[in-house]
Amino acid sequence: DSGVTQTPKHLITATGQRVTLRCSPRSGDLSVYWYQQSLDQGLQFLIQYYNGEERAKGNILERFSAQQFPDLHSELNLSSLELGDSALYFCASSETPDSSYEQYFGPGTRLTVT
Amino acid sequence: GENVEQHPSTLSVQEGDSAVIKCTYSDSASNYFPWYKQELGKRPQLIIDIRSNVGEKKDQRIAVTLNKTAKHFSLHITETQPEDSAVYFCAASARGSTLGRLYFGRGTQLTVWP
Repeated sequence: DSGVTQTPKHLITATGQRVTLRCSPRSGDLSVYWYQQSLDQGLQFLIQYYNGEERAKGNILERFSAQQFPDLHSELNLSSLELGDSALYFCASSETPDSSYEQYFGPGTRLTVT
Repeated sequence: GENVEQHPSTLSVQEGDSAVIKCTYSDSASNYFPWYKQELGKRPQLIIDIRSNVGEKKDQRIAVTLNKTAKHFSLHITETQPEDSAVYFCAASARGSTLGRLYFGRGTQLTVWP
């Protein structure tokens, strides 16, 4: 167990809908990263937050957004869902915003869009 | 940005043999190289990492080597066991980077036959 929690574990929804994925980092970690894992794209970095502020953006679609709250948990919002958004979504946390420190992954949320 | 290439994509070995997975990176500023193990349906788990100020690091049956000149790093698993079967990902990141992201290879499916 990495200490990073994610809810829900599984999510099945229809195209066009909106969902929210939630992540709580390890105790003491201020930085949260979101990754998308699909069979054809591998592990893709989406976005990073540090202590409530956005620090870095990767290949995140405009239909997706995220935020980090004062208690340091983070939410990833996915809207106008398409079939191609079906994937495993992981969050990871680390102590600092510097990515050259260890990142610990949560168990993931498996999103299925039908 | 950084580009990480990983080979081979699949690797089958007999229990007790050694396994080697190789990665190359493109950005000479990268100096943190973690390796993650991911079992089917589970989260990526950090198994070992290396920073550019060392050329080799060992942890029991696992070792990682780094050649900064050639921009490649490798994972070595000795005395493989069936429980080593998983997908292994290499990644690269630049120390002090405010981009806060890990660039992942596409993964290697390792199968250890009893």
